[in-house]
Amino acid sequence: GQQLNQSPQSMFIQEGEDVSMNCTSSSIFNTWLWYKQDPGEGPVLLIALYKAGELTSNGRLTAQFGITRKDSFLNISASIPSDVGIYFCAGLNYGGSQGNLIFGKGTKLSVKP
Amino acid sequence: NAGVMQNPRHLVRRRGQEARLRCSPMKGHSHVYWYRQLPEEGLKFMVYLQKENIIDESGMPKERFSAEFPKEGPSILRIQQVVRGDSAAYFCASSPQGQGSGEAFFGQGTRLTVV
Repeated sequence: GQQLNQSPQSMFIQEGEDVSMNCTSSSIFNTWLWYKQDPGEGPVLLIALYKAGELTSNGRLTAQFGITRKDSFLNISASIPSDVGIYFCAGLNYGGSQGNLIFGKGTKLSVKP
Repeated sequence: NAGVMQNPRHLVRRRGQEARLRCSPMKGHSHVYWYRQLPEEGLKFMVYLQKENIIDESGMPKERFSAEFPKEGPSILRIQQVVRGDSAAYFCASSPQGQGSGEAFFGQGTRLTVV
């Protein structure tokens, strides 16, 4: 089945640093999504990307939908302690069920004050 | 506007018992999705339901697992004769239309522990 490779698996950074993480797939997706999950909570949608090449920002977060439709990245600028959590990419392929999001394994972000 | 409500938040079951997980979608949402998350893993799709209909159950194990979303009341994910491997966090999400919009909202999850 379709799989997403998300990297890095974990990151330890200093407060104020910028963060970059990415997701790649061997398959094409029509929508890329980025979520953040705090311990004991459900995923919260950060950014949704619907068009190849699209670059979208949400505050300090910026994400891009790769031109090949097989990859996406998420950048966080000037990290703060509350950015700590696990970030997941997810892809949606309209060819299949509209309910079937494919998730990456996550990038665990730790921020040192 | 209350978010997606899941209960219980934590559920402990002995091997062989039944587990019932409930999900009340956001007001006005008629589409519900169930996902399972193992420790250190991403979420894995299980089933997609609309009111009274199963749209896609391609992620559901063939045995012991079932899901429903009746006309009235919450969606229920039912696991019969639970085994240790069923221990996981189960998340429900809802949307007002097909998830093609990519804007489904997730609940806080039910953490099932099988002892």
